[in-house]
Amino acid sequence: DIQMTQSPSSLSASVGDRVTITCRASQDIDYFLNWYQQKPGKAPKLLVSDASNLETGVPSRFSGSGSGTDFTFTISSLQPEDIATYYCQQYDNLPWTFGQGTKVEVK
Amino acid sequence: QVQLQESGPGLVKPSQTLSLTCTVSGGSISSGNYYWSWIRQHPEKGLEWIGCIYNSGSTYYNPSLESRVTISVDTSKNQFSLKLSSVTAADTAVYYCAREPELWGQGTLVTVSS
Repeated sequence: DIQMTQSPSSLSASVGDRVTITCRASQDIDYFLNWYQQKPGKAPKLLVSDASNLETGVPSRFSGSGSGTDFTFTISSLQPEDIATYYCQQYDNLPWTFGQGTKVEVK
Repeated sequence: QVQLQESGPGLVKPSQTLSLTCTVSGGSISSGNYYWSWIRQHPEKGLEWIGCIYNSGSTYYNPSLESRVTISVDTSKNQFSLKLSSVTAADTAVYYCAREPELWGQGTLVTVSS
């Protein structure tokens, strides 16, 4: 199985701050990476697919980049409604696997 | 638009089989080349991919659960199902069905307890 290592596991930032989350794959997954946002009690919501493709309706402050083994997810200006846990997921090889998650909180 | 809804018992006894169904509405489960998946989330934990069914019947299971998992599809009812046998308390989780990656059900909590 491909292991996805996500960091940090949690972070606290102020409204307006730039937030960056990283995800590293245990082997080359090309660009086959999704980023999800999960709010408490809700199902995960797909924000970014194919490493950098922003889903329709997702605010432009969210972005993703990277390929191969190293990926980055960025919130350019943190908003109060962005409080959530974010997960990366590789879909290059079955079984698809998730990172451990990054809990984002507001200071 | 296409929506997914999980259903099944919220409480299962240890050693029994957990059975959940995902009903797909607003579109046919047979159309398109989609992966219909089950994912679970233990309380206050991360996401664990259980398995999927695709191409109208091919399956792939997480090796960590493979010996206990069966995923099947009923195209006549526009549903797909999950069976997890010999459950223990460690299988207590919220179970999600999904048409990965963009469509997810709301999730259903299954508790394993006597």
